[in-house]
Amino acid sequence: EPEVTQTPSHQVTQMGQEVILRCVPISNHLYFYWYRQILGQKVEFLVSFYNNEISEKSEIFDDQFSVERPDGSNFTLKIRSTKLEDSAMYFCASSPTASISTIYFGEGSWLTVV
Amino acid sequence: SQQGEEDPQALSIQEGENATMNCSYKTSINNLQWYRQNSGRGLVHLILIRSNEREKHSGRLRVTLDTSKKSSSLLITASRAADTASYFCATDARQAGTALIFGKGTTLSVSS
Repeated sequence: EPEVTQTPSHQVTQMGQEVILRCVPISNHLYFYWYRQILGQKVEFLVSFYNNEISEKSEIFDDQFSVERPDGSNFTLKIRSTKLEDSAMYFCASSPTASISTIYFGEGSWLTVV
Repeated sequence: SQQGEEDPQALSIQEGENATMNCSYKTSINNLQWYRQNSGRGLVHLILIRSNEREKHSGRLRVTLDTSKKSSSLLITASRAADTASYFCATDARQAGTALIFGKGTTLSVSS
């Protein structure tokens, strides 16, 4: 079964460093998402992306964050200057349509900021 | 907010028993989806129920949706130790790429 893949599975970074999390969505999907989950807390929406632009973003997704689809397969989340509170599991997801369809999630990338 | 809120927050049962988790939300939705998460792992989609559906089954899972009460329930029958996980409902009012909104989840522990 097709799946969303994410790399790295775990990254440790120094505060203030830039981090890029990578995702390969399911190939025929058109809508892409990033969510995050701080340890022990709920899954929070960050951003959705369609047709090479951001469709929606949450209050969490401030100027430190950016997303990009640099080629036909990858979808990346960049955090420019990481903070301790950015430590979380980051999930990439994709769906074939905008509504009435399952959103498929990757296994996540654990980011630890020290 | 259209946020789903699950209850109970935690549920402990014995193998073979049924587990029922509830989800409430606040605004109109297109559909509601249930996900499972094993500790430290990704979100696995379990079932999607559309706003015009009242009940849906998938194996040992049964989901109900009551849009008049803005609530949904997930029933796992004949539970197994392997069902131990966190279960989340996510409300979906997507139109042009808007987001699934997750609740806080129910942590289910099934002991053998």
